[in-house]
Formats: sequence, C-alpha cells, structure tokens
Amino acid sequence: GDSVTQMEGPVTLSEEAFLTINCTYTATGYPSLFWYVQYPGEGLQLLLKATKADDKGSNKGFEATYRKETTSFHLEKGSVQVSDSAVYFCALRSGAGSYQLTFGKGTKLSVIP
Amino acid sequence: GAGVSQSPSNKVTEKGKDVELRCDPISGHTALYWYRQRLGQGLEFLIYFQGNSAPDKSGLPSDRFSAERTGESVSTLTIQRTQQEDSAVYLCASSSSGATYTDTQYFGPGTRLTVL
Repeated sequence: GDSVTQMEGPVTLSEEAFLTINCTYTATGYPSLFWYVQYPGEGLQLLLKATKADDKGSNKGFEATYRKETTSFHLEKGSVQVSDSAVYFCALRSGAGSYQLTFGKGTKLSVIP
Repeated sequence: GAGVSQSPSNKVTEKGKDVELRCDPISGHTALYWYRQRLGQGLEFLIYFQGNSAPDKSGLPSDRFSAERTGESVSTLTIQRTQQEDSAVYLCASSSSGATYTDTQYFGPGTRLTVL
C-alpha cells in the first residue's frame, strides 16, 4: 500500500537557518505529492504541491521537487523565520481510483530568534 | 463560506455515548473527505463522498462509525458507543471534484473529541 515517511522531529533552528525536511514515499501508480502545514492553533493548510516528475512546487519561500528516481519530495527553505514554526506534513495521492491522501506523521519545526 | 467549517470545535463525551460531528464544505465542492488525527500521528483517512454517495468507506475503523452527506452540502460523521480510543481530532476536507488525483483538498479546523 501507499506510505509516506518523514524525518522525525522536533526540529529546532535559529532564525535565518537553512531548512530541509526529508520525505520519501511508496505508492502504487503515479502519485501527486503535497506538503501541508499546521500552524499552532490552526487547521491544515496546503503549502505546495507537485503532480509530475521533476515538477517543483513553491510557496512562501518553501520549495520541494518531485524526484521519481529517488521517490522523494524533500521540503526546503533557504532562510527560516520564527513565523515558520509549525508542524509540516508530507502527503501523497495515488493515481486513478484513489481518493484519499496518505500522510506522513508530521515534523514539528521550532524557529528561535 | 470562504472555507471548510466544522462543528463543534471541541466535544467531550462519556464512554458509551453517541456523538455527531458536522462538516460544511466549501460551496461548490462535490468531493468531501473525513480524516482522523490521533495525538502524535499523521492523518488517517476515514471516508470519501462524491456528492451524496460514498464510493470509498475503506477507512472507517468499525461499524460504530458512519457518515452521511446531504447532496453536495453538509456531512455528518456519527460515532456510536464511543470508546476512549476514539479520542482524536476529526478533520473534514473538500475538493472541487475529487475525480482527479491532482485535486487539492482543503481542510477544516477540526473537531477535537475527548472520550472520558
């Protein structure tokens, strides 16, 4: 079955540090890949997505590239801010006939001034 | 409304009682999904609606769980005879069609259920 593996947190970084959150997946078919973010006290929000190999999703300074050969979708940001403190979830949706998102367990990021 | 809404935001109940959780999707979205998020875990899929039919109920954990949807509008998730292991945040999401796997699912704020 489908599965998503994320690096375990929590991750603590200083402001302006470089961020990488690793995500690898196993899927039947040709999935779409997503990063969702959950800020403290708020609901899940879509951060970015990619729907085919070598696509790069980007938003709010975050980027992730769909790597079919390594089945990965790592999240990166060049310079994090305190306001980026949140829980980040990697997710996939398989191809035809699949309706659900399959999520990783989430990675909690704390950015300190 | 502008986004997916859910009610109540918090629900505390006693073991053995029934609970109903409500979801209002984004207007015009034909697809609706329920997920469960247990403490420290990722989201678990429960059920998917396309209009008012449920082609995929594969994630419902037991026959104590059921859901219905009125047309392309409100959905209700019902848990009968609640157990302590049902304690979780229940999240609802909607998407414009559900038919394509590139569809983006938009999530509501969730209902935090605590079973004492």
